Amino acid sequence: TAGITQAPTSQILAAGRSMTLRCTQDMRHNAMYWYRQDLGLGLRLIHYSNTAGTTGKGEVPDGYSVSRANTDDFPLTLASAVPSQTSVYFCASSDSDTGAGGYTFGSGTRLTVV
Amino acid sequence: GQNIDQPTEMTATEGAIVQINCTYQTSGFNGLFWYQQHAGEAPTFLSYNVLDGLEEKGRFSSFLSRSKGYSYLLLKELQMKDSASYLCALVDSNYQLIWGAGTKLIIKP
Repeated sequence: TAGITQAPTSQILAAGRSMTLRCTQDMRHNAMYWYRQDLGLGLRLIHYSNTAGTTGKGEVPDGYSVSRANTDDFPLTLASAVPSQTSVYFCASSDSDTGAGGYTFGSGTRLTVV
Repeated sequence: GQNIDQPTEMTATEGAIVQINCTYQTSGFNGLFWYQQHAGEAPTFLSYNVLDGLEEKGRFSSFLSRSKGYSYLLLKELQMKDSASYLCALVDSNYQLIWGAGTKLIIKP
């Protein structure tokens, strides 16, 4: 089934440790996004990529980095995790960098930093 | 700046109709989305409005008034499976999505 795969589904991480959240899509979408979702807040954009080889900062990029070596993969790295990064992380993709095509979301990664 | 407002929570009865409102302020507008998100799951696409008016899709309809900065999602013949959060998101002048906090809809039998 075509779509977006995120891994892991959930993770408990010690503060100060690093971690990479994986995201792979098989729809050949150009644009990909990483969001975090916290209770009472809307989805907040961390980083985005309009096409392979390019990335950009979203609303809350601090403490996170991304890379886009190819069309399919868009990993998100936490270099040194802090408890405020406890959240649900969603990867999404769109077939248009205008966003008008609608976003397809992965199933999310629930991260707890202790 | 940009701002999106939705009610935090609404309750409705199975079989009834409910309207979820979304108001926004933005310096640039390139469309508005509605997404559905069941607890513990990913958001899924419901509708997209870029012009004023009503878009109907089965039991769900979405309305947009750009001059009023207002949209609503109308759900008819409510079913228990419609219990979910409904997210409003606007496409800003940079073609980025700005998300509302979502409206949790509780359906009672």
